[in-house]
Amino acid sequence: QITLKESGPTLVKPTQTLTLTCTFSGFSLSTSGVGVGWIRQPPGKALEWLALIYWDDDKRYSPSLKSRLTITKDTSKNQVVLTMTNMDPVDTATYYCAHPVGASYYFDYWGQGTLVTVSS
Amino acid sequence: EIVMTQSPATLSVSPGERATLSCRASQSVSSNLAWYQQKPGQAPRLLIYGASTRATGIPARFSGSGSGTEFTLTISSLQSEDFAVYYCQQYNNWPPPFGQGTKLEIK
Repeated sequence: QITLKESGPTLVKPTQTLTLTCTFSGFSLSTSGVGVGWIRQPPGKALEWLALIYWDDDKRYSPSLKSRLTITKDTSKNQVVLTMTNMDPVDTATYYCAHPVGASYYFDYWGQGTLVTVSS
Repeated sequence: EIVMTQSPATLSVSPGERATLSCRASQSVSSNLAWYQQKPGQAPRLLIYGASTRATGIPARFSGSGSGTEFTLTISSLQSEDFAVYYCQQYNNWPPPFGQGTKLEIK
């Protein structure tokens, strides 16, 4: 059974760096074809792609946010970490990590999400 | 970058009736199109992939069709648990954007 869970701060100040951790089970990021992605959703708004990392350390980023994002993996801990620099109130959102189907870009398993508020 | 446009933004339908949701891509995505359902306070749930293949455990009343740039999600007989927001997503190219969503509400 595949599960994912996000963890990190619920409140960050403007200009700070956000670090979120996705801890998963039921699959391994050392297995060929496996990846983990991050998606966010501002309150009342649509889903937005952020980043994705694959078993071979191939990384993909949203073009509009690429300069602010870093995604890494710790295979031994079954964790993926997303950092986003220079946080702004418009980055207030629920952040989800999710498991893509194969080496594709759509997701069959999602974490419950974690709400991050950016405010001074 | 491909843009996904969903219509209508809100759809009001009575239980037991059929609902038809549309999704248009700004350029061809072949059949690399997924549909998700999202209920308040919950993560999205994969319904359809490959434009027309139901994901595991999805009831047969959900069906998807289309290819290229025009796609449709049909719910044949709406149940109370189907009222939610539905998103399409193309995964033919990077980045793989989601549409803006269609809210399916009870009429």
